[in-house]
Formats: sequence, structure tokens, C-alpha cells
Amino acid sequence: KAGVTQTPRYLIKTRGQQVTLSCSPISGHRSVSWYQQTPGQGLQFLFEYFSETQRNKGNFPGRFSGRQFSNSRSEMNVSTLELGDSALYLCASSPGAGFTEAFFGQGTRLTVV
Amino acid sequence: EDQVTQSPEALRLQEGESSSLNCSYTVSGLRGLFWYRQDPGKGPEFLFTLYSAGEEKEKERLKATLTKKESFLHITAPKPEDSATYLCAVASGNTGKLIFGQGTTLQVKP
Repeated sequence: KAGVTQTPRYLIKTRGQQVTLSCSPISGHRSVSWYQQTPGQGLQFLFEYFSETQRNKGNFPGRFSGRQFSNSRSEMNVSTLELGDSALYLCASSPGAGFTEAFFGQGTRLTVV
Repeated sequence: EDQVTQSPEALRLQEGESSSLNCSYTVSGLRGLFWYRQDPGKGPEFLFTLYSAGEEKEKERLKATLTKKESFLHITAPKPEDSATYLCAVASGNTGKLIFGQGTTLQVKP
């Protein structure tokens, strides 16, 4: 069974630009969550989608947004990039919503210059 | 406020030297506690889920236990390949969010 696939793996962007990250969950999984990981803050929850609906959202500014498609694939968008947005962005998929095991992808390393 | 604290931040062991990692939590309505292993540059790898106090789970050299306030990850006779960062996370029933601790970085020397 294929795992969670995130693309691209690495990305370099300039301040002020926007970026879109993609996540394909494990086949059959309907829930996708996104996290930001930095050395200082650790893993922080961004949002969770289940059946194309956002179920939960973390404490991030509105520049961070996401969506989920009918095939459960998800995208995350960050607009007007800031230097502080440099991080490893991780996607996790779960069979169902809420409190089930989450399986993570390898992440997208975003560097904002 | 929901909070997860892991200790120690870093741990160095000799191969074969058993030890435990701690995860203390404060959460409104615990709906599950999760342990993950993360290698540098990779996403976290799921290890265990614990749901209620007194529950224990084992996998190879790892054993996770849960009380009402904390969880322990016991590592028995570790090997160098066990070197990684171990993350603990709790699912909050009130907020519906998964809250991670800062992790314990384990180094096992041969």
C-alpha cells in the first residue's frame, strides 16, 4: 500500500510570493491534516480536512489556506510568503476524522528567501 | 490550556543501556495519546496509540505505557538504529486537535 505522498519535496520561494503544496493520502483514507514543523516551535497543527470539508483549524493567519478534493487529495496554499514561513510542512492522512492514527508523508521543505 | 511536555530533550545511551522517555500532558478530554519516531529530514513514523490509563503497547524494543497524567516510552537494550527523535502527541476531545510535544532526541552509541 502506497504511503502519503507530498510534492514537491523541496521549494525555494521569495518573500511576497505564494506557494501551493500537494498531498496525496493513503488510498482509502478520507482525512488529511497539515502541520508546520520548525526547530523553535516543533510540530504545529494547521488544519484538518475530511470529505472535502475543513473540520478544524489551528492558530495560523489567513494567509494559510487549504482544500481537499473529492479524491481526498489535498492542497495547502500560503500567500504573501514571509521569511518566518520557512519550515517543513507535513501532511498526515487518517482513515477517519478526529482521533485515529495519523500517517505522515515525508514533508515539503519550504525555504523563503 | 492543552499542553504536552516531553523530557528529557536529549538522551545519549550506550548500546544495550535501557531507559525511558517521558511525556506529560494536560488536556481537556483526552481522546488518545500517540507516539511517533522521526528521523532527520523525514516525516514522523507512527509507533503507538494509547487510549486509557493502564494501557500498554509493545513493538520490538519499545514499550509505551499510559497513566492519567503521563506516558512513558521504554526502550529496552537499544541499538544504534533506534537513534531518532521521539514525538508524543495528544488528541484533545475539546478542540479536536492533535497537540505535539517538542520531542526527545535519542542517540544510541555502539
